[in-house]
Amino acid sequence: AQSVTQLDSQVPVFEEAPVELRCNYSSSVSVYLFWYVQYPNQGLQLLLKYLSGSTLVESINGFEAEFNKSQTSFHLRKPSVHISDTAEYFCAVSDPNRDDKIIFGKGTRLHILP
Amino acid sequence: KAGVTQTPRYLIKTRGQQVTLSCSPISGHRSVSWYQQTPGQGLQFLFEYFSETQRNKGNFPGRFSGRQFSNSRSEMNVSTLELGDSALYLCASSLIGKANVLTFGAGSRLTVL
Repeated sequence: AQSVTQLDSQVPVFEEAPVELRCNYSSSVSVYLFWYVQYPNQGLQLLLKYLSGSTLVESINGFEAEFNKSQTSFHLRKPSVHISDTAEYFCAVSDPNRDDKIIFGKGTRLHILP
Repeated sequence: KAGVTQTPRYLIKTRGQQVTLSCSPISGHRSVSWYQQTPGQGLQFLFEYFSETQRNKGNFPGRFSGRQFSNSRSEMNVSTLELGDSALYLCASSLIGKANVLTFGAGSRLTVL
């Protein structure tokens, strides 16, 4: 079965500094990968996804993630964070050749320091 | 276009009681998935329904059950509540097919005393 590991439960970072949130998944022949964001007292929202094609995917608010098949990783990065990025970020994976079930990591809470 | 609606948003129950949570998906979405979110375990998959049939199931005891109606609305039920069932229960809907992107509701926060 697929699994997702988010190594950091919390990441503090100063405003306008770069950030990387790490995500590794258990290997599979093919995978779909997602990052979701959860703002306080809200449900999860899709941030970006990798289905196929270019290994670098971007979101509309400056985040990007790169699919690395050899390292089974899908790390999320942003070159300069803003206070409004304070949220919990979840990496997720599904296996399109099996049951399509989407499995989430335990989440990484991003704290933006003034 | 209305989003995913979950009711109730908050509820408090005592051990041994049962609870029913409701989820109305986005219009046109036929798949509904349920997740349990707790601080220690993150999001854990409960089950997924598509066209009134359970398509996938997570590793939860039989006290957790669900169903889907012909209009794609879904309910989940937890019987004989335990303290450890306190959590945020999230419902998500999606279109059919592969690469199903989930759209989440705001959740139902259950507290078991």
